[in-house]
Amino acid sequence: NAGVMQNPRHLVRRRGQEARLRCSPMKGHSHVYWYRQLPEEGLKFMVYLQKENIIDESGMPKERFSAEFPKEGPSILRIQQVVRGDSAAYFCASSLSGQGRNEQFFGPGTRLTVL
Amino acid sequence: RKEVEQDPGPFNVPEGATVAFNCTYSNSASQSFFWYRQDCRKEPKLLMSVYSSGNEDGRFTAQLNRASQDISLLIRDSKLSDSATYLCVVSRTGGFKTIFGAGTRLFVKA
Repeated sequence: NAGVMQNPRHLVRRRGQEARLRCSPMKGHSHVYWYRQLPEEGLKFMVYLQKENIIDESGMPKERFSAEFPKEGPSILRIQQVVRGDSAAYFCASSLSGQGRNEQFFGPGTRLTVL
Repeated sequence: RKEVEQDPGPFNVPEGATVAFNCTYSNSASQSFFWYRQDCRKEPKLLMSVYSSGNEDGRFTAQLNRASQDISLLIRDSKLSDSATYLCVVSRTGGFKTIFGAGTRLFVKA
C-alpha cells in the first residue's frame, strides 16, 4: 500500500532550464494538490487537480508554471525557464475526495535547486 | 493579514512539560481544521483533526473556538520525539483551498 510518491527527490537545474516534478497519488485517490515551501516558511497552496481537470489554480504563478493530471500516469508540475527564486521544496498531496474534511497525505517532496 | 496565523516560536521545553500552541484564522467560512506535524526536511503528517466539541488523542488535545476563530493544541508530558514544527491547517468545506499556517517550532530537551 504505497503512499504518495514523488520523483525526483532532488533536482538541480540551471537558470533558464525546465523542471518537471512528478507525483503519483495514493492508490484510490483521484485528488492531487501541489504546495511549495520556501526555506523557513510554511507551505503555500499552488494548485488542486482531479483526473484531467484543474479545479483550483489560484496559488499558481501566472507565468512559467503549469500542472496536469492526465487520465493515465502521474501528476506533473512543470516550471519553465527556472529562476533562482524557484528553489524550494515542492510537496504533492492526495486525498480520497476533494471535500475539505478529508485528510491530505503528503509525498516526500522534491527539492529543487536552481543554480 | 494572513489567513492563518501562528506564533513561530521556538518553544523550548523540558521533557515532561505541558505546552500549548494557538492559531487564529481570519475566514469565518472556514469549516475544517487540522493540526499537522512536520519534522525537519520531511513531509507534513496529520496529527489530528479538530472538532467543535474538542478532541483528545493520547497526550494531545485540540480545541476549536469559533467565536474567537481560535484553534489550540495542548501537548502533555512532552517527549523528545515531539520536537517538530506544528502546522495549523484550515479549509472550507465545499471549497478546495487548504491554508497552512507557517508553523510553530517545538524543541523538547532532556
